[in-house]
This record gives sequence, structure tokens and C-alpha cells, in this order.
Amino acid sequence: GAVVSQHPSRVICKSGTSVKIECRSLDFQATTMFWYRQFPKKSLMLMATSNEGSKATYEQGVEKDKFLINHASLTLSTLTVTSAHPEDSSFYICSARDYRESSGYTFGSGTRLTVV
Amino acid sequence: GIQVEQSPPDLILQEGANSTLRCNFSDSVNNLQWFHQNPWGQLINLFYIPSGTKQNGRLSATTVATERYSLLYISSSQTTDSGVYFCAVAGSGAGSYQLTFGKGTKLSVIP
Repeated sequence: GAVVSQHPSRVICKSGTSVKIECRSLDFQATTMFWYRQFPKKSLMLMATSNEGSKATYEQGVEKDKFLINHASLTLSTLTVTSAHPEDSSFYICSARDYRESSGYTFGSGTRLTVV
Repeated sequence: GIQVEQSPPDLILQEGANSTLRCNFSDSVNNLQWFHQNPWGQLINLFYIPSGTKQNGRLSATTVATERYSLLYISSSQTTDSGVYFCAVAGSGAGSYQLTFGKGTKLSVIP
């Protein structure tokens, strides 16, 4: 089945620094990828839709200058949390879909970001 | 946007018991998936089931699209079934292909 690889799985950074999270589709091409955020004991909230070769589409309330998304190839999307602050600490998870399969969306393993 | 409600929010089972988790959604869908989130956060895709019935071992799922609900059945539960189960849907309208998640059902299976 489709595999989505996400790195790093865990990162701790200092306030004011930037962190980049990678999401790769393995063995399939994904013109669209999705980035979600999950707070402790809460559900997943869609942050943005990453579109290969064009600008990302952000959900209402998500700061596009804070969460930079780049989808430069058909297998890689990156999420950069810029000038991170403690309130950005969260679990970030990406997803993509291999339309050759009838299995829906596949999710990466997630990245737990802690800003200190 | 489409609304997704899951019930119950919490469920405690004795090992070996059976359970049914429910997902109601507010509009027609072209995608419905059930996920199990393990303690490390990984979302495991259990079923892609916009309609019909599927079974995989001790798990099965049924979606009645015309009545806008889906059910996940867990039989002979094991402690490893513990975790949070999410239902996620995508509406059938134009541009509505992204998944919307319910709040989940937290399942605890005790020995």
C-alpha cells in the first residue's frame, strides 16, 4: 500500500528559531498533500493543502507567514514553522493519496514539535 | 463544511468483549475512512469505506451513505486495540476532497 514518510518524528527547538518538517510520498506521486495539526487529546485539524508547483491553500485562522509550505516536487512537501514560539508546540501530521489504490488517504507518522 | 460526530467519546471494555463505534456525518460523502491512532500518534488506516461493508479480521465496518452514518465493529477486543479511533470524511461537493475528522472515540481495553 501507499506509504507516506515524515521527518523528523520529534524535534525540540528554541523560541525564535525555525523548524522544517518533510513529508514524502514513497512510490507514488502526489500533486496534493495535506498538513494537519493535533493538540493533546484533540482531533486533527486541517491546516493547509499543499499543491505541487503552486501556492498552498490555508484554512481560516492559519497564518501563512508562520507556517510556510513548499511543494516543489511530486513526492515532497515541506512545512516550515517560522520564528517558533511555545504555543506552536504540537503534533503535526501530513497526508497524501495514491489514486491508483482504493484505500483513501495515507498519513505520515507525525512530528512532535516542542518549542522551549 | 461537513460535520462529523462520533460516539461514544470514551469506551472501556473488558478484554474479549465486542463493541460498536458510530460516525454520523452531515452531508453526502465520497470518502470515509476509519483510523486507529496508536499511543505514538501514528494514524493507521483501518478502512476506506464510503459505502458498503468490509471486514478485516476482528474488525468490520459498514457505511450507510443514504442515512449518513458509519459503524465500526470490534470483536473479541484485545488490549492492543486500545487507542483513539477516528472517523474522517470528505464531502462530495466540488473542491471538498480534504478529510474532516470527528473528535474520536477513546477505547481502553482492560485485561
